[in-house]
Amino acid sequence: DTAVSQTPKYLVTQMGNDKSIKCEQNLGHDTMYWYKQDSKKFLKIMFSYNNKELIINETVPNRFSPKSPDKAHLNLHINSLELGDSAVYFCASSQAPGQGYEQYFGPGTRLTVT
Amino acid sequence: SQQGEEDPQALSIQEGENATMNCSYKTSINNLQWYRQNSGRGLVHLILIRSNEREKHSGRLRVTLDTSKKSSSLLITASRAADTASYFCATTTSGSRLTFGEGTQLTVNP
Repeated sequence: DTAVSQTPKYLVTQMGNDKSIKCEQNLGHDTMYWYKQDSKKFLKIMFSYNNKELIINETVPNRFSPKSPDKAHLNLHINSLELGDSAVYFCASSQAPGQGYEQYFGPGTRLTVT
Repeated sequence: SQQGEEDPQALSIQEGENATMNCSYKTSINNLQWYRQNSGRGLVHLILIRSNEREKHSGRLRVTLDTSKKSSSLLITASRAADTASYFCATTTSGSRLTFGEGTQLTVNP
C-alpha cells in the first residue's frame, strides 16, 4: 500500500501550457505539503494545507495554485508553465501541523518544461 | 534564507566504514530531523531529535545535537552499499514548516 502517491510520475510539456499534479495520502493525516526540488537537490516548501485549509503559502508565483478537495488529497495546478518550473515536485503529509511530526513523502513528479 | 547546511557535500567510503555527516543551522530550532533520499525517490524520515536532547540512536544511526554550536551530526555505523543516498537535515522553527539543508551525497562502495 502506497502511503503518499503522486500522479503523474513524469510530465513533459511545453512552455505556456497548464498542467496539474495530483497527490493522495492514505495515512489519515491532517496536513499535506508541496515541495519543489531543483536540479541541485535543494528542497523548498511551497504550500501546506491542514484539513483543507491553507496554512503555509511561501513566495511562489501565483501561476501555482494548490487545491485540497478533502484532507486526503492535495493537487497542484500550474498555469502558463515556464522553463524555470522544471523541477521535481514532492507531495508530503504529516499527522498534524504542529512541531515535531515527521513528514511522509511521495515519490515525486519530475516536470520538464521545453 | 536557507536554514541548514550540510557538510560535506559528498562523501565516498567503503562498505563497513562509518559515515559522518554534519549539519549547521542559523536560528534557534525546536527540533531537527534527518531524511534520506535514494536516487529518483522521495525522502524518507530517519530520525528526529528535539532541542532539549543531545543524542539519539536508531539502529545503526546516531544523531547528536549541539544547540550552542547550532549543529547536528548523523553517524551511520558499519555502512552498507544500500546506504548510498542523499542525506538531508531539516529544522523546524515554528509551525510545521520544515527547512531543508543542501544535502550530503553518500556513496558506499562495495
